[in-house]
Amino acid sequence: DAGVIQSPRHEVTEMGQEVTLRCKPISGHNSLFWYRQTMMRGLELLIYFNNNVPIDDSGMPEDRFSAKMPNASFSTLKIQPSEPRDSAVYFCASSSLQGVGQFFGPGTRLTVL
Amino acid sequence: RKEVEQDPGPFNVPEGATVAFNCTYSNSASQSFFWYRQDCRKEPKLLMSVYSSGNEDGRFTAQLNRASQYISLLIRDSKLSDSATYLCVVTLPNDYKLSFGAGTTVTVRA
Repeated sequence: DAGVIQSPRHEVTEMGQEVTLRCKPISGHNSLFWYRQTMMRGLELLIYFNNNVPIDDSGMPEDRFSAKMPNASFSTLKIQPSEPRDSAVYFCASSSLQGVGQFFGPGTRLTVL
Repeated sequence: RKEVEQDPGPFNVPEGATVAFNCTYSNSASQSFFWYRQDCRKEPKLLMSVYSSGNEDGRFTAQLNRASQYISLLIRDSKLSDSATYLCVVTLPNDYKLSFGAGTTVTVRA
């Protein structure tokens, strides 16, 4: 049974470039979450979707960040333009019901030079 | 005040020892509680849910104290493979969002 799938696993880019991270949630899960993790700030929720609709994007740092979920099996997180302070591990997670926890993908390790 | 607070550790224990640590949460309305485990450079993985009456999963025991607003995790007969960061997680009623603690690092030595 496939878990949450993320791509790419590693991304190195230069400041100012556009970065697109991809996520495929577990089949049947109706909630999807994007997180960012750094040593300094820990795990931060950026945005979450329920039934493909963005419910809470208050964690999105600024307008350079955008996220979409065009269907139940795919979501993207885009950073344009990227900055060195965006360097972090970005996790996607999905869940099926409230109160049952979330399942995380392996993450995308982003380095912006 | 942070929503979820944990002692960062590290807790350094020998194999076979018992280690226990707590996590406090600030919102008395918190409804669901979990422990996640995160290995170095890996994703967080759900270790166990925490139920009001307390629960065990093998060598792991979780407890919830609503009156004092804390949850605990106890690991018996520690294995080298238990070395990880343990994240305390709480949710509010009717809310999908998870509030994560910063994690407690456990290192089990041979």
